[in-house]
Amino acid sequence: DSGVTQTPKHLITATGQRVTLRCSPRSGDLSVYWYQQSLDQGLQFLIQYYNGEERAKGNILERFSAQQFPDLHSELNLSSLELGDSALYFCASSDTGTAYNEQFFGPGTRLTVL
Amino acid sequence: DQQVKQNSPSLSVQEGRISILNCDYTNSMFDYFLWYKKYPAEGPTFLISISSIKDKNEDGRFTVFLNKSAKHLSLHIVPSQPGDSAVYFCAASGSGGSYIPTFGRGTSLIVHP
Repeated sequence: DSGVTQTPKHLITATGQRVTLRCSPRSGDLSVYWYQQSLDQGLQFLIQYYNGEERAKGNILERFSAQQFPDLHSELNLSSLELGDSALYFCASSDTGTAYNEQFFGPGTRLTVL
Repeated sequence: DQQVKQNSPSLSVQEGRISILNCDYTNSMFDYFLWYKKYPAEGPTFLISISSIKDKNEDGRFTVFLNKSAKHLSLHIVPSQPGDSAVYFCAASGSGGSYIPTFGRGTSLIVHP
């Protein structure tokens, strides 16, 4: 158990809808990262928050947004969903905002858009 | 353009033998490399890392080798065990470029009893 929790585990929705994925980082970790893993793809970095502020942005679509709350949990909002958004979405946390440390991953949320 | 490549989607090894997983990168600004292991229905877990100032790092049965001139790293597992069967991701990051790790697509390792 990494200490990172993600809810829900599975989500099935229709095109055009909006969903919210939730992540609680490991106790004490200030950094939260969101990744997308599509079929046979590596982990694509979406966005990072550090202590409530956006720290880095990756290949995140404009239809997607995220935030980190004062209690350090984070939410990833996906709107106007398309079939191609079907993927595994992972949240990871680390105690710092730098690269030279390991990340702890949650079990992921599997999103299916029909 | 993939900056981190794991060209072997899968690898099959007999229990007790050595498993060698390979990873190539293109960005010369990468200076920190990590391997993660992922079991089905779980998130990736950190396995081992190496800084560019080293060419080898060892942790028990796992050793990572870095060849900076070739922009190549490899993960050796000796001896391989059936519990090592998982998908292994190579990741690279660096202070010179984006410090967010860039992941490869993974190699699925199957260790046969």
